[in-house]
Amino acid sequence: GAVVSQHPSWVICKSGTSVKIECRSLDFQATTMFWYRQFPKQSLMLMATSNEGSKATYEQGVEKDKFLINHASLTLSTLTVTSAHPEDSSFYICSAREEFASGSLPKSSYNEQFFGPGTRLTVL
Amino acid sequence: QKEVEQDPGPLSVPEGAIVSLNCTYSNSAFQYFMWYRQYSRKGPELLMYTYSSGNKEDGRFTAQVDKSSKYISLFIRDSQPSDSATYLCAMSGNTDKLIFGTGTRLQVFP
Repeated sequence: GAVVSQHPSWVICKSGTSVKIECRSLDFQATTMFWYRQFPKQSLMLMATSNEGSKATYEQGVEKDKFLINHASLTLSTLTVTSAHPEDSSFYICSAREEFASGSLPKSSYNEQFFGPGTRLTVL
Repeated sequence: QKEVEQDPGPLSVPEGAIVSLNCTYSNSAFQYFMWYRQYSRKGPELLMYTYSSGNKEDGRFTAQVDKSSKYISLFIRDSQPSDSATYLCAMSGNTDKLIFGTGTRLQVFP
């Protein structure tokens, strides 16, 4: 199956600093990648959809100037948490999916998102 | 009201038991219904997906979707200690956006 990696797997930083998280699709090209955040005992919440070569689409309530997303290539998307604060401490997970030509997949087929292992961010 | 509701558990069962996990939802536009398994501090992995209503079976796992009741289920037969994990339901409509439940923590003890 398709493999998605994230780096780092965990990071601890001081309040006010910026942290960059990388998401890579290792064996397929991903025009679209997704960034999620998961707080303890809560569901994964989509933060933004990252499209290669264009601006990311942010979900309502997610500050685009705080969570900078760059999708510079078909295998790499980065999330930078700027001026991190303790309330940003969370588990950040990315996902990626292969792209298929429009109409090439039957409607009943689900174009699977493959998830990375996540990055645990702790802001002191 | 959340779009997707899932009992967080924890659910503790003996090895060999049949496990039933459920989610309810409110958005009638959902067409794709997924079950993910997530181990601690790991990303979710897709177990099964169902398009629209119906049943789907894969080994010890059976997924059921009842769109009329807005209710989906995952059954695990002959549960094993290795099945211990958090199970997340997720749904989507015509867009890319996945809406997840909070996850049910399952513990299968020997």
